[in-house]
Amino acid sequence: ETGVTQTPRHLVMGMTNKKSLKCEQHLGHNAMYWYKQSAKKPLELMFVYSLEERVENNSVPSRFSPECPNSSHLFLHLHTLQPEDSALYLCASSQDLGNEKLFFGSGTQLSVL
Amino acid sequence: RKEVEQDPGPFNVPEGATVAFNCTYSNSASQSFFWYRQDCRKEPKLLMSVYSSGNEDGRFTAQLNRASQYISLLIRDSKLSDSATYLCVVNPRTGNQFYFGTGTSLTVIP
Repeated sequence: ETGVTQTPRHLVMGMTNKKSLKCEQHLGHNAMYWYKQSAKKPLELMFVYSLEERVENNSVPSRFSPECPNSSHLFLHLHTLQPEDSALYLCASSQDLGNEKLFFGSGTQLSVL
Repeated sequence: RKEVEQDPGPFNVPEGATVAFNCTYSNSASQSFFWYRQDCRKEPKLLMSVYSSGNEDGRFTAQLNRASQYISLLIRDSKLSDSATYLCVVNPRTGNQFYFGTGTSLTVIP
């Protein structure tokens, strides 16, 4: 148990669907992240939130929409995805931004058909 | 040039062997360095931080060479349970980005 919980663990969706990924951290951390992990590629940072405020958006397509209602919860809303968006989506948290260690959730394995 | 580069392997070693992984980084101003371990179909988990003076945790030793911009991980007396992918992670302290390597795959064979 890492203290970061993600749901669902697996998700299959069509290109016209709308779905949301949920992340909750129980560590009292102030920063939360969304990462994408594709086969044979390094983890790609998508979004960073610090104290519920988005501080980084790494040129992610608008079909991915993050939401951070409070410092413990992070969502990733998905709509009109493409097959190449199929990947493992990992949520992480750290005590603060900067040099802090990352704690990851188990991830959501997403398949877009 | 990639921010972080690792030899993807795979490394297949017998139990009890000593194995070493290297990782190079491109930003000379980088300040924080880590090794993460990722088991198949699982999330990455912090294995150890890498300090300038080098550090050891049981069978694992991490070292940093700032002049050559690389970090290393040494695993002694390999166990079957060490089989995993080892991710090199660098934080350049500019912005909020942690840069990950693609990982080095290790399989320890009985």
